[in-house]
Amino acid sequence: GQQLNQSPQSMFIQEGEDVSMNCTSSSIFNTWLWYKQDPGEGPVLLIALYKAGELTSNGRLTAQFGTTRKDSFLNISASIPSDVGIYFCAGQRSNYQLIWGAGTKLIIKP
Amino acid sequence: DTGVSQDPRHKITKRGQNVTFRCDPISEHNRLYWYRQTLGQGPEFLTYFQNEAQLEKSRLLSDRFSAERPKGSFSTLEIQRTEQGDSAMYLCASNPSAETQYFGPGTRLLVL
Repeated sequence: GQQLNQSPQSMFIQEGEDVSMNCTSSSIFNTWLWYKQDPGEGPVLLIALYKAGELTSNGRLTAQFGTTRKDSFLNISASIPSDVGIYFCAGQRSNYQLIWGAGTKLIIKP
Repeated sequence: DTGVSQDPRHKITKRGQNVTFRCDPISEHNRLYWYRQTLGQGPEFLTYFQNEAQLEKSRLLSDRFSAERPKGSFSTLEIQRTEQGDSAMYLCASNPSAETQYFGPGTRLLVL
């Protein structure tokens, strides 16, 4: 099925470092969403973005909806061990269907 | 815990057997979605309901798959004559209208 281009595929970082990941698409979306998924669990919503150019924070997480409506990024500041997991971006084009990236796996080196 | 529950959490079955999964959405949510997720990929849309009406089905949903939401509350997803390629995580999500979707923990299916 169709997927967004999400990068990087994986990241190895030290605890305390900042993290940045992004998603791009050839199509325009009305909503961009960022989810985190732990092993064996369903995705959990982190941030939802509804307007082009919107910058939204949720604690140490900050996400932006690109002005072209074809991209979004997620930043995590001062990473901690519980940030480990897979982060997914998703674009909502219609009022029901989400198109997903392939995920960014975050691994924190002890 | 998002409030969306799925049962069972894990299912191992032999090829050719039928399996049925259940999803209980958040009670006031009238939209319910089913997704399939394979390792290393994001979820892929299968189908969605508004109340009891099934409004959209993906081409991924072959004739062996059927989903129901008889009273507009819980939903079931049945796979008949399972194949090894059906092995995946099956996720359910719900939302009250066109807002963001909240996911359940998923049912992991392994077809031997």
